[in-house]
Amino acid sequence: SQKIEQNSEALNIQEGKTATLTCNYTNYSPAYLQWYRQDPGRGPVFLLLIRENEKEKRKERLKVTFDTTLKQSLFHITASQPADSATYLCAYNSGYALNFGKGTSLLVTP
Amino acid sequence: DAGVIQSPRHEVTEMGQEVTLRCKPISGHDYLFWYRQTMMRGLELLIYFNNNVPIDDSGMPEDRFSAKMPNASFSTLKIQPSEPRDSAVYFCASTGWGANTEAFFGQGTRLTVV
Repeated sequence: SQKIEQNSEALNIQEGKTATLTCNYTNYSPAYLQWYRQDPGRGPVFLLLIRENEKEKRKERLKVTFDTTLKQSLFHITASQPADSATYLCAYNSGYALNFGKGTSLLVTP
Repeated sequence: DAGVIQSPRHEVTEMGQEVTLRCKPISGHDYLFWYRQTMMRGLELLIYFNNNVPIDDSGMPEDRFSAKMPNASFSTLKIQPSEPRDSAVYFCASTGWGANTEAFFGQGTRLTVV
């Protein structure tokens, strides 16, 4: 069955640097991958969706890539800020259901 | 729209008691999902509905868990009897039509079973 894996280790970076988070899947290429942000005590909030036939998607300081050869999606935050500190989740569609990875915690320090 | 609304925000109950979690999806959304989140297992899909009909309940851990959606604006997740290992944050989410639409999540219900 499909599995989606995110780095469980927290990522600590300095303000202004680019944060790169990884999402790997183990089986077939999902038609879409979605990225969400989750703050403590709150539900996940949608950030970006990328389709299988799209190599890259951008939204302001965010960029997502989708490499079907490596079975991997990368999520980049450029010019990171302390307000970007949160847990970031990737998810794939299985039919109409969204299945999530466990998320990677990002801490941006001033 | 106020978004997806869940109640209660926090619930503390004793083992063996019945617990009912409630969710009001965004008006006009066709799909409703129930998730459970723990540190160990992350965000797990329990069940989802399309137009009030349960489509996939394979994630429901045991018969102690049940979910209903009597109408388009209301769903419940019931645990009877509750056990300490059910302690988790339970999220409800809704989406519009289509597999590539973003999911809107509620604030979650933090359940503690003692």
